[in-house]
Amino acid sequence: AQTVTQSQPEMSVQEAETVTLSCTYDTSESDYYLFWYKQPPSRQMILVIRQEAYKQQNATENRFSVNFQKAAKSFSLKISDSQLGDAAMYFCACSSNFGNEKLTFGTGTRLTIIP
Amino acid sequence: DVKVTQSSRYLVKRTGEKVFLECVQDMDHENMFWYRQDPGLGLRLIYFSYDVKMKEKGDIPEGYSVSREKKERFSLILESASTNQTSMYLCASGPGQGIDEQYFGPGTRLTVT
Repeated sequence: AQTVTQSQPEMSVQEAETVTLSCTYDTSESDYYLFWYKQPPSRQMILVIRQEAYKQQNATENRFSVNFQKAAKSFSLKISDSQLGDAAMYFCACSSNFGNEKLTFGTGTRLTIIP
Repeated sequence: DVKVTQSSRYLVKRTGEKVFLECVQDMDHENMFWYRQDPGLGLRLIYFSYDVKMKEKGDIPEGYSVSREKKERFSLILESASTNQTSMYLCASGPGQGIDEQYFGPGTRLTVT
């Protein structure tokens, strides 16, 4: 069984600044994957970034990067140069390599961008 | 463009009614999923299917059933809707590996009165 915890229900950041969203997880699997999904207001959920647990190097996608601390079971998302379009619910999720890509989601963090 | 569509964006039903939520994907994906999204609870998996006519229970299957007669279509059925099933329902599909991205539909906001 897997659990994912997001302890920040809401965050806000000034436009152009950097913000970090926290996520911790627990899994008994040795091989697993971690994801951040974004759900903009009234729009479909989309993938932001993913990390394979066996890779030590932190994943990066343009302004989005992760800080993956495997021993601490921590997977935070850093958004640099925040833009108004980054305003959304962000969900951290975990899947097992052997679970038919079933995702376990956290409770989400609502990110507000202050102009 | 990949696409997952859901039959309704908003739905209002009465307690005791049978409710069908339909989901269609055009990506030839093996896996399809139904989630329920509630504030403060995130997304919870109701059922998923990894092949036609195959299904597995997720974390909260009680009160729901599913049907997958064709690869592209996955239906969620509420046999007798109750007020505690008022929620946002999200459908997703994926190619089948743990690393793979899931593609989500726009969601159906169901209100049971």
